Amino acid sequence: KQEVTQIPAALSVPEGENLVLNCSFTDSAIYNLQWFRQDPGKGLTSLLLIQSSQREQTSGRLNASLDKSSGRSTLYIAASQPGDSATYLCAVHVNAGNMLTFGGGTRLMVKP
Amino acid sequence: DTEVTQTPKHLVMGMTNKKSLKCEQHMGHRAMYWYKQKAKKPPELMFVYSYEKLSINESVPSRFSPECPNSSLLNLHLHALQPEDSALYLCASSQGRRAGVQTGELFFGEGSRLTVL
Repeated sequence: KQEVTQIPAALSVPEGENLVLNCSFTDSAIYNLQWFRQDPGKGLTSLLLIQSSQREQTSGRLNASLDKSSGRSTLYIAASQPGDSATYLCAVHVNAGNMLTFGGGTRLMVKP
Repeated sequence: DTEVTQTPKHLVMGMTNKKSLKCEQHMGHRAMYWYKQKAKKPPELMFVYSYEKLSINESVPSRFSPECPNSSLLNLHLHALQPEDSALYLCASSQGRRAGVQTGELFFGEGSRLTVL
């Protein structure tokens, strides 16, 4: 069974710092990996989708990488801002079926 | 338009009530999902519909009954719920593909906050 782990569970940084969120998964046979952002009490907003054949994706200040062989993905946030404060979730799509397995999330606080 | 619309945003119901949650998307997606999320936990998959057919039921109690009337709509009928069923219920959609293999990005709605008294 696929297991997804996110480290750290919580992170507090001053504004302007560059930071890295980590995601690891136990079964490398994934279809793709998706990073989401969730504000308190809200739905999930898709940030980046990386197909299994890709190594990274970029959107603005966000860059996500994927290393299938080691079962890892990282989300890099450049020049963090207070508005980046949220919970960040990674999720992997397994090959067999419409299954999306989530990690536990990283709660990010960016202080002004 | 990458929007998944869920109604109602908030719902309070008693344990003997019957209510429904609704979800709608107009992106032409053929896979639709119900997730349940408790506070400070990741979403947990409940049901998946692929091409209007139920393809995955993650051993959800029968007091939750999904329905997919057409490719744009997904309902979740609620009956005889328990207080521990109080949670944020999230609907999502993706392009989908036949033979049960999911493809593409998942797009989530804002969720329906359910409180069972």
